[in-house]
Amino acid sequence: DVKVTQSSRYLVKRTGEKVFLECVQDMDHENMFWYRQDPGLGLRLIYFSYDVKMKEKGDIPEGYSVSREKKERFSLILESASTNQTSMYLCASISLDRSNYGYTFGSGTRLTVV
Amino acid sequence: AQSVTQLDSQVPVFEEAPVELRCNYSSSVSVYLFWYVQYPNQGLQLLLKYLSGSTLVESINGFEAEFNKSQTSFHLRKPSVHISDTAEYFCAVIRWDNNNDMRFGAGTRLTVKP
Repeated sequence: DVKVTQSSRYLVKRTGEKVFLECVQDMDHENMFWYRQDPGLGLRLIYFSYDVKMKEKGDIPEGYSVSREKKERFSLILESASTNQTSMYLCASISLDRSNYGYTFGSGTRLTVV
Repeated sequence: AQSVTQLDSQVPVFEEAPVELRCNYSSSVSVYLFWYVQYPNQGLQLLLKYLSGSTLVESINGFEAEFNKSQTSFHLRKPSVHISDTAEYFCAVIRWDNNNDMRFGAGTRLTVKP
């Protein structure tokens, strides 16, 4: 089974802190994604990466950055956490194999900024 | 850009009743279509997907969805729901010509009552 592992299930940080959310996948997928999930808004794409050291902005990149130094790891960085970044963060990777095309999601990190 | 509209934010139904969760999308190019389910306090699970071929796709637990290109819809149906189907359901699309980045609807909360 493809595994997408997010390092923390719950995280509490203070306003202004720099926050790192880590995501690792074990199936050699090239494309990886970060979303945030909020009630009534669904999942919104923050950033994605289609190769090492490559990144693309999604729909809501403000206040975030990403790092992809190795193929299996995609990190989301909150440069200076704010209370409006309190949310559930989901990482995903995608299989481009036609027979198994689709996303696999991590179990999420619930971040609370106080 | 594509967008996804789930027309009902909440759908309450009684057990053994039929249900339809509606999803419409807008895109200038062809898309792949997905339904995900999220049970309380759990991650996202793929329910079913349409990539090509037959426009009617089925899941293993009795759900089905039909791709209607002319109406740009991908409604999810089940003829008889169970209490255990209570969950949040997300419709999602990927454009054929894009970087495989997925866009989601806001979600529909299905509540099955005894």
